[in-house]
Amino acid sequence: KQEVTQIPAALSVPEGENLVLNCSFTDSAIYNLQWFRQDPGKGLTSLLLIQSSQREQTSGRLNASLDKSSGRSTLYIAASQPGDSATYLCAVRGSAGGTSYGKLTFGQGTILTVHP
Amino acid sequence: NAGVMQNPRHLVRRRGQEARLRCSPMKGHSHVYWYRQLPEEGLKFMVYLQKENIIDESGMPKERFSAEFPKEGPSILRIQQVVRGDSAAYFCASSPPPGAEETQYFGPGTRLLVL
Repeated sequence: KQEVTQIPAALSVPEGENLVLNCSFTDSAIYNLQWFRQDPGKGLTSLLLIQSSQREQTSGRLNASLDKSSGRSTLYIAASQPGDSATYLCAVRGSAGGTSYGKLTFGQGTILTVHP
Repeated sequence: NAGVMQNPRHLVRRRGQEARLRCSPMKGHSHVYWYRQLPEEGLKFMVYLQKENIIDESGMPKERFSAEFPKEGPSILRIQQVVRGDSAAYFCASSPPPGAEETQYFGPGTRLLVL
């Protein structure tokens, strides 16, 4: 059974800092990994998707890496801003042909607060 | 292209009543997923549907919960005889068929409160 863990559970930093959020998963047979952002009382916004054959993806100030063999992903946020404050969720999708293909398994999330 | 639509956004039910949650996927998406977010817990997969087919219901509680995605109309998550423990945010996501873009796009959620 796939399990996803995110560290730290919460993070509070001053504006401008570079941040690293960590995600680990127990079953390396994944199809892809997705990072989401969730604002309080809102839905999920997809930030980055990394296919199992890829090592990293970048979008603006965000960079996500994937080390499938070790079961780890890192989300790097450069020059953080107060508007980045949200809960960040990591989710993995089971490999094609497997019983868990299609569904996403989520971590508990990292609550990020960026102070002005 | 409108995003994933869910309604109602908020739903209040008394114990024993039925709750019906609706999800309209993005245009061109034929795959729908339902997830539940209990208070202070992470998102948990419930069910994965294609049009008129349930692909994976391994996350659905065995009783009182059912889901459908008919040929026409939205996907429906139905909870019969609700209990207080059903209070949660229910999210729907949609995606194109496998082999195309793999991102799951999420709706804003339905927040169910059982009194």
